[in-house]
Amino acid sequence: DGGITQSPKYLFRKEGQNVTLSCEQNLNHDAMYWYRQDPGQGLRLIYYSQIVNDFQKGDIAEGYSVSREKKESFPLTVTSAQKNPTAFYLCASSLLAGYNEQFFGPGTRLTVL
Amino acid sequence: KQEVTQIPAALSVPEGENLVLNCSFTDSAIYNLQWFRQDPGKGLTSLLLIQSSQREQTSGRLNASLDKSSGRSTLYIAASQPGDSATYLCAVDSGAGSYQLTFGKGTKLSVIP
Repeated sequence: DGGITQSPKYLFRKEGQNVTLSCEQNLNHDAMYWYRQDPGQGLRLIYYSQIVNDFQKGDIAEGYSVSREKKESFPLTVTSAQKNPTAFYLCASSLLAGYNEQFFGPGTRLTVL
Repeated sequence: KQEVTQIPAALSVPEGENLVLNCSFTDSAIYNLQWFRQDPGKGLTSLLLIQSSQREQTSGRLNASLDKSSGRSTLYIAASQPGDSATYLCAVDSGAGSYQLTFGKGTKLSVIP
């Protein structure tokens, strides 16, 4: 089955630690995205990548980093510089950059202890 | 900056009723508009995508319309079922190379058996 997978489903982090969230897709999509969802707020874009080895900051990139070494994979690292990282993180992909029907993964819930 | 609003924030209807969810956006120069469904603790499921040149799209019991000039879209659900209970999100792509969606905060729908 084609789709987007995210792991882990739940992640707990101590203050001061960096953690990496995994996102993999087998849809052969060029573009991939990371969003953050907080209660009572709309999804906000963290980073997006239009093509391998290229990525751009979204609206709330501070405290996050990404890489795009393979077409299928777009991992997100939440660094200790992110002041309020507890949230639900969603990864998405679309066929082509600019063809924006986006498909989403199941999400990772990150909690800072 | 594009802003997307969804009213009401929550809606409760008896099973079998037809209903309409509303989405408004401030900048009418959009590339497309997408409706999603989100179940609690889950990722987003794409329901319908309307390109800027289209007026409506249909999928089963769902019909989405788009009026760019007035900055509005509606999602019509016919013969609602308890399984339709979820949060419905709309998102707009403002194009111009932004490659990102701007989301509303969603309408939480409860269909009462």
